[in-house]
Amino acid sequence: AQSVAQPEDQVNVAEGNPLTVKCTYSVSGNPYLFWYVQYPNRGLQFLLKYITGDNLVKGSYGFEAEFNKSQTSFHLKKPSALVSDSALYFCAVRDLGGYNKLIFGAGTRLAVHP
Amino acid sequence: DSGVTQTPKHLITATGQRVTLRCSPRSGDLSVYWYQQSLDQGLQFLIQYYNGEERAKGNILERFSAQQFPDLHSELNLSSLELGDSALYFCASSEVGDDGYTFGSGTRLTVV
Repeated sequence: AQSVAQPEDQVNVAEGNPLTVKCTYSVSGNPYLFWYVQYPNRGLQFLLKYITGDNLVKGSYGFEAEFNKSQTSFHLKKPSALVSDSALYFCAVRDLGGYNKLIFGAGTRLAVHP
Repeated sequence: DSGVTQTPKHLITATGQRVTLRCSPRSGDLSVYWYQQSLDQGLQFLIQYYNGEERAKGNILERFSAQQFPDLHSELNLSSLELGDSALYFCASSEVGDDGYTFGSGTRLTVV
């Protein structure tokens, strides 16, 4: 069965510093991977996805993610964090047997301090 | 506005009651997904409909049911509510061949 894991409940980073939010996956076959962000009292918003091709995927709001097949990871990154990036981040994988169903990780809360 | 509309935004009800949550998908999207987000269990997949037919089922309780209507809007019915059903319920939609979802802003259900 497909799954993703987000090993950190919370990540703290100072404004202006680079940030990384970690995600590892377990799938049989080629993974379809996603990152979503959730701001307080809002629904999840799509950030980026990896289907195939370049291992470095660029997304919204200056975020990017690096797909690493050997390490089965799909870490979210940003070169310079903003206080407004503080939110809950979810990694997800498409369930290959399930009509486009997405399976989400537990989420990582990102706190960017001024 | 994501294009996915969920109503109501907030709902407070008593244990044992029944509620209906409504979702209107983004225009043109045929698939609707329901997720439950609670503090201790993250985002749990409940059920998926595609063009009126149930396509996938997750950890949905027997007290919960859903349907998708001909106009593609969907309703999630929760009955015999318990305190533990308090959560955010999200609806998402996607179009054929699209790999990602568009989420609504959710319904916050509080059972007292």
